[in-house]
Amino acid sequence: AQSVAQPEDQVNVAEGNPLTVKCTYSVSGNPYLFWYVQYPNRGLQFLLKYITGDNLVKGSYGFEAEFNKSQTSFHLKKPSALVSDSALYFCAVRVFWGSARQLTFGSGTQLTVLP
Amino acid sequence: ETGVTQSPTHLIKTRGQQVTLRCSSQSGHNTVSWYQQALGQGPQFIFQYYREEENGRGNFPPRFSGLQFPNYSSELNVNALELDDSALYLCASSLDRATEAFFGQGTRLTVV
Repeated sequence: AQSVAQPEDQVNVAEGNPLTVKCTYSVSGNPYLFWYVQYPNRGLQFLLKYITGDNLVKGSYGFEAEFNKSQTSFHLKKPSALVSDSALYFCAVRVFWGSARQLTFGSGTQLTVLP
Repeated sequence: ETGVTQSPTHLIKTRGQQVTLRCSSQSGHNTVSWYQQALGQGPQFIFQYYREEENGRGNFPPRFSGLQFPNYSSELNVNALELDDSALYLCASSLDRATEAFFGQGTRLTVV
């Protein structure tokens, strides 16, 4: 079965410091990987995706993610965290469910950026 | 804003009742997917509609059903509501089945 794992339920980082939110995946074939962010009582906002090409993917709001095939990881990163980055982050992989192309999500990582 | 709108934003229903949730997809998007997000968990795939046809379903019972209309808006219907159906229901639209999905703000359903 295709899946993603987010090993950390909670990540705390000081404002201005770099942040990393971890994600590992298990898929057959080439992975289509995504990061989404969710603010309280809101839907999911798309941050970035990896389909093919460069291993370093740049996305919205200064976020980037590094695809590492040998380690089956797709960690989300940002060089300098902002308090406003505090939110729930989800890693997802696209799976093929019959003819549907649906997303399988990790359990989420709560990021808190401390002022 | 993603251009995907859901209604209502909040809803309280009694166990055994039926509920209909609505989703207006982003302009030009022909694919709509529905997800259930229980408290403290990641979203779980319910089903997907592509050009008015259901073309994939997750591990949800038949009392979860849906429709997609010619303008690509969609409905999620849940019959015989159970307490465990309490969750945030998310609608996502995409240009087709293979592109990234854009989510609405969700409908918070509480079953009492």
